[in-house]
Amino acid sequence: DSGVTQTPKHLITATGQRVTLRCSPRSGDLSVYWYQQSLDQGLQFLIQYYNGEERAKGNILERFSAQQFPDLHSELNLSSLELGDSALYFCASSVQGHNEQFFGPGTRLTVL
Amino acid sequence: AQSVTQLGSHVSVSEGALVLLRCNYSSSVPPYLFWYVQYPNQGLQLLLKYTSAATLVKGINGFEAEFKKSETSFHLTKPSAHMRDAAEYFCAVSSNTNAGKSTFGDGTTLTVKP
Repeated sequence: DSGVTQTPKHLITATGQRVTLRCSPRSGDLSVYWYQQSLDQGLQFLIQYYNGEERAKGNILERFSAQQFPDLHSELNLSSLELGDSALYFCASSVQGHNEQFFGPGTRLTVL
Repeated sequence: AQSVTQLGSHVSVSEGALVLLRCNYSSSVPPYLFWYVQYPNQGLQLLLKYTSAATLVKGINGFEAEFKKSETSFHLTKPSAHMRDAAEYFCAVSSNTNAGKSTFGDGTTLTVKP
């Protein structure tokens, strides 16, 4: 158990819909990262937050957005969903940006 | 800028044989290097990390990696493979700059044959 929690574990929805994925980092970790993992694209870094502020952006689509709240939990919002958004979405946390990351169990999103 | 290249997307070894997974990195500043393992339907977990102390790093499950600055490499090895080592392995690099963002390699899937 990494100490990072993600909800829900599974999510099935339809194209065009909007979903919110939630992540609670390990106690004391200030950095939160979001990743997308699919068979065809592998592990893709989406975005990083540090203590409530956006720190780095990766291959995040404009339809996707995230935020980190004062209690340090984070949410990833995916809107106008397409079939290609079906993937595993991981959240990770670390004490500071350059330290090792602790990954949550992931949310498996299926868009039908 | 930083990047990671993992040579070989698939590696297959026999049980008891040496495991060697290759990772080369690029970084304009002193790097921090990591190896993570991902078992099916699970998140990534840290195997080991290099943070500028000893160049030979020992991790969990009998794995180790050696930082070679001259070769910009951080290859992962294990003397004797077990069936339970079958998983996907990711090499990653980060630094104190670049907002501390880690860059992950594309991953290497390790298959262990009985």
